[in-house]
Amino acid sequence: DADVTQTPRNRITKTGKRIMLECSQTKGHDRMYWYRQDPGLGLQLIYYSFDVKDINKGEISDGYSVSRQAQAKFSLSLESAIPNQTALYFCATSEGSNYGYTFGSGTRLTVV
Amino acid sequence: GENVEQHPSTLSVQEGDSAVIKCTYSDSASNYFPWYKQELGKRPQLIIDIRSNVGEKKDQRIAVTLNKTAKHFSLHITETQPEDSAVYFCAAHANDYKLSFGAGTTVTVRA
Repeated sequence: DADVTQTPRNRITKTGKRIMLECSQTKGHDRMYWYRQDPGLGLQLIYYSFDVKDINKGEISDGYSVSRQAQAKFSLSLESAIPNQTALYFCATSEGSNYGYTFGSGTRLTVV
Repeated sequence: GENVEQHPSTLSVQEGDSAVIKCTYSDSASNYFPWYKQELGKRPQLIIDIRSNVGEKKDQRIAVTLNKTAKHFSLHITETQPEDSAVYFCAAHANDYKLSFGAGTTVTVRA
């Protein structure tokens, strides 16, 4: 089935380490997103991309960077992880404006 | 940008009763309003959506209503069942081509 896959599912890392979260999709969608979920805060947009050459910052992009390696792949990096980046991270794709998102299974990141 | 507020943050209902979650949005240009259900440990999944040219949409036990004048929309779940227990998110999609989400409502259905 066409889907959105995130790796790793869980990760524990130390403060100051660089870490990359990966997302790949088989839905053929051009639009891809990275969201962060914290309890009581809902889903906050980190970065989004409408095609390989189009990358945009979201509401909380500080401390994060992204790479769109291909239409199907969108990676999120934490250059120097800090404890308040401990959260659940979701990748999502969309067919276009006015269409719902398909979310990946999520990556639970813990920074110690 | 778009600001979406969602109420209540938690909702406990007796099995078989109805549940209603309300959201307001700030951008009058918003034209697409999806609702997502997130079960514990799972990804958010789209359960129903409504576009601005429609006032109400229903799918079995769930329905969504939209009042564009007042800039609010609501999710209604009737005849609630234990499997309806989850976190529900509303969202709004404006002309900047991305969804803004509410903070979520944790629904607990008591047996």
